[in-house]
Amino acid sequence: SAVISQKPSRDICQRGTSLTIQCQVDSQVTMMFWYRQQPGQSLTLIATANQGSEATYESGFVIDKFPISRPNLTFSTLTVSNMSPEDSSIYLCSASLGGAYYGYTFGSGTRLTVV
Amino acid sequence: TQLLEQSPQFLSIQEGENLTVYCNSSSVFSSLQWYRQEPGEGPVLLVTVVTGGEVKKLKRLTFQFGDARKDSSLHITAAQPGDTGLYLCAGAPYDKIIFGKGTRLHILP
Repeated sequence: SAVISQKPSRDICQRGTSLTIQCQVDSQVTMMFWYRQQPGQSLTLIATANQGSEATYESGFVIDKFPISRPNLTFSTLTVSNMSPEDSSIYLCSASLGGAYYGYTFGSGTRLTVV
Repeated sequence: TQLLEQSPQFLSIQEGENLTVYCNSSSVFSSLQWYRQEPGEGPVLLVTVVTGGEVKKLKRLTFQFGDARKDSSLHITAAQPGDTGLYLCAGAPYDKIIFGKGTRLHILP
């Protein structure tokens, strides 16, 4: 299975600033996704990162707040823009080698605290 | 909207006991997956079940997919402290996976 490196692993940020999270996969993958997870809770899909085109966002998430890039088949970034304390959460990158049917591999996550 | 309901939400048992975690939906899924997540890490895929009635075993863990492919269960035999974690079921209605709310399992030594 693919190995995902995600950084930073954690950060404390001032409200109003932006943070970019990077996700590097050790092999080419068809699909990459970004999730948000409140501590102790389940995962909520933010968007699907599409290679060479705009990301596909889930209900409640917009591009202006969470711009996503995916310049190639192994790398993606998620930016959390104009942060507020409500954005404090764990952000996870994931990838699928053969489609959702075969399951996803996840990065270790980025624990974001906005003060 | 396809939802996955997991039960129980929390479970704390003594080492050596058996337990079962359930994942239910009103919708049919082509496959269901189980993940385990430990603090500070991302979820790790344990198993994918794809055929109605399928049973898969992973050491002391037994996974079953319902005949109608709407539900699944995870049974742990003789639980160990190392089994402690958040267990998530997930289904793939299309190319994206949706997750249940998870079962937080704590095994007491």
